[in-house]
Amino acid sequence: DGGITQSPKYLFRKEGQNVTLSCEQNLNHDAMYWYRQDPGQGLRLIYYSQIVNDFQKGDIAEGYSVSREKKESFPLTVTSAQKNPTAFYLCASSMGRGSYNEQFFGPGTRLTVL
Amino acid sequence: AQTVTQSQPEMSVQEAETVTLSCTYDTSESDYYLFWYKQPPSRQMILVIRQEAYKQQNATENRFSVNFQKAAKSFSLKISDSQLGDAAMYFCARKETSGSRLTFGEGTQLTVNP
Repeated sequence: DGGITQSPKYLFRKEGQNVTLSCEQNLNHDAMYWYRQDPGQGLRLIYYSQIVNDFQKGDIAEGYSVSREKKESFPLTVTSAQKNPTAFYLCASSMGRGSYNEQFFGPGTRLTVL
Repeated sequence: AQTVTQSQPEMSVQEAETVTLSCTYDTSESDYYLFWYKQPPSRQMILVIRQEAYKQQNATENRFSVNFQKAAKSFSLKISDSQLGDAAMYFCARKETSGSRLTFGEGTQLTVNP
């Protein structure tokens, strides 16, 4: 089945530690995205990538880093520089620019900083 | 910043009745795309309906339809014959034609009463 997988579903981190969230897609999509969702709020864009080996900052990139070495994979690292990392993180993918190219979402990762 | 606004944080509807969720947006482009996504308690984001701005005809998907008023920059979602499974957080989103990123509203939590 085609889709987007995110792992782990739940993640706990101690303050001062970096942690990497995994996102994999087998939809052959060019573009991938990372969003953060806080309680009662909408989705805010962290980083996005429209092609392999290229990515752009979204609206809240500080304290996060990404890589796009393969078309299928777009891991997100939450660094110790992120002041308030506890949140729900959603990964998405789409065909890329142009047309309506809807975004398909993964099931999400809940990150909690202890 | 070009924003998407959902002015109703919470709405409720009786089962089998009709409810309308509001969304307004800001854009400087003449061509763009609009979406409604649903996020049930599982937190999986699901596309409900989409509208191309250049189309005057309102989109319809079974019990879901939109009222797209381009001049007013308004994009409301109507759910007819509401079902218990419609209970979810609903997000309005906008995408410019030139790019691939989405801008989301803050969401409307819909409760369906039996």
